[in-house]
Amino acid sequence: ETGVTQSPTHLIKTRGQQVTLRCSSQSGHNTVSWYQQALGQGPQFIFQYYREEENGRGNFPPRFSGLQFPNYSSELNVNALELDDSALYLCASSRYRDSFEAFFGQGTRLTVV
Amino acid sequence: DQQVKQNSPSLSVQEGRISILNCDYTNSMFDYFLWYKKYPAEGPTFLISISSIKDKNEDGRFTVFLNKSAKHLSLHIVPSQPGDSAVYFCAATLTGTASKLTFGTGTRLQVTL
Repeated sequence: ETGVTQSPTHLIKTRGQQVTLRCSSQSGHNTVSWYQQALGQGPQFIFQYYREEENGRGNFPPRFSGLQFPNYSSELNVNALELDDSALYLCASSRYRDSFEAFFGQGTRLTVV
Repeated sequence: DQQVKQNSPSLSVQEGRISILNCDYTNSMFDYFLWYKKYPAEGPTFLISISSIKDKNEDGRFTVFLNKSAKHLSLHIVPSQPGDSAVYFCAATLTGTASKLTFGTGTRLQVTL
């Protein structure tokens, strides 16, 4: 059983640019959630996808968007990057939408300059 | 609005002694609580959880206690080992939105020899 993998591990972007982060969920997991972890903070829920549809969203603007594919891999897209978007972005997969336990990837460190 | 709070950013404990990590929450609707452990350059990993219908859950060296009236939970690690040195996050969720976690800011535990 493979774990949750994210790519790339590090990324530097310029303010105003767009970025796409990728996640490969754990085998058999149909739910993926994305979190933003700013320095010194806990992870904050961005949104969740279940069977390719958005299933809940945290307090993030529409320039944060996502996709989930039939093979349960997923993407997080951020448009019009701002300096405050600099953070660790974590992907977490769950076996079911109602599963309490989530399995996290190692994260993508995004730096916006 | 920080719904889950970990007021101690760091804790240092000697090897073999008990580590007690605390967490408070404000949203009385939360009915399931989890602890995650995070090593540098890795994603959080699930440690232990507790449902609001219980007041204690034990798994080996790890015990979580829940005091619903005080909206407080704690994680006890006995005995503490150097490999336990990590950042510990408390998280809370609601049944029905199970995999959408609200995290605290974390406590960095250092277990010294």
